[in-house]
Amino acid sequence: EVQLVESGGGLVQPGGSLRLSCAASGFTFSSYAMSWVRQAPGRGLEWVSEVSGSGDSTLYADSVKGRFTIFRDNSKNTLFLQMNSLRGEDTAVYYCAKATKFCSGGSCYQYFQHWGQGTLVTVSS
Amino acid sequence: EIVLTQSPGTLSLSPGERATLSCRASQSVSSSYLAWYQQKRGQAPRLLIYGASSRATGIPDRFSGSGSGTDFTLTISRLEPEDFAVYYCHQYGNSPPWTFGRGTKVEIK
Repeated sequence: EVQLVESGGGLVQPGGSLRLSCAASGFTFSSYAMSWVRQAPGRGLEWVSEVSGSGDSTLYADSVKGRFTIFRDNSKNTLFLQMNSLRGEDTAVYYCAKATKFCSGGSCYQYFQHWGQGTLVTVSS
Repeated sequence: EIVLTQSPGTLSLSPGERATLSCRASQSVSSSYLAWYQQKRGQAPRLLIYGASSRATGIPDRFSGSGSGTDFTLTISRLEPEDFAVYYCHQYGNSPPWTFGRGTKVEIK
């Protein structure tokens, strides 16, 4: 059974830093791209960042580029999000999500099949 | 950036009724990159539909997806009590950022 367990959330002051972790189990971690998706209180879902299975390739939303860094430790089956220069608008529940990508019958598919339970980050003085 | 516009914002229906949710993209999206998720209060999103019309593992057949290009639809044929939730469409295509719609809340009338 696939399990994704986030940790590291909490209260931080504006301008501060926080590192989120996502412990993965139940699948071959290094074979899958992983993403962070966040949800501000009472709002919708926003994709934040993605890292390839090997960790060599990363992508970021414009809203976090230059402030957040995604990386992974495949030896420990763990995904990370280093968040620096935090702002009030970064307040959200942060989910890690496993990306499923495959091709079949001439078409290629991509979606988030598995999600963690989320960890709350609150940026406030 | 591809903007996904979901309508209506809220759908008020009774159990047993049919729900039709719309997702319109600002530019064409390959059907294989369009997914739908269900989210209940306090829970993580759950994958319902991928590839615009393929049901995820364990999803009841009262859920169906359709559409192509810029117009996609999620249909719930007969609402069960556990179906009252928020539904998001999502495009996970070739070029980032991957985007979500703002959601449609299906509430009990």
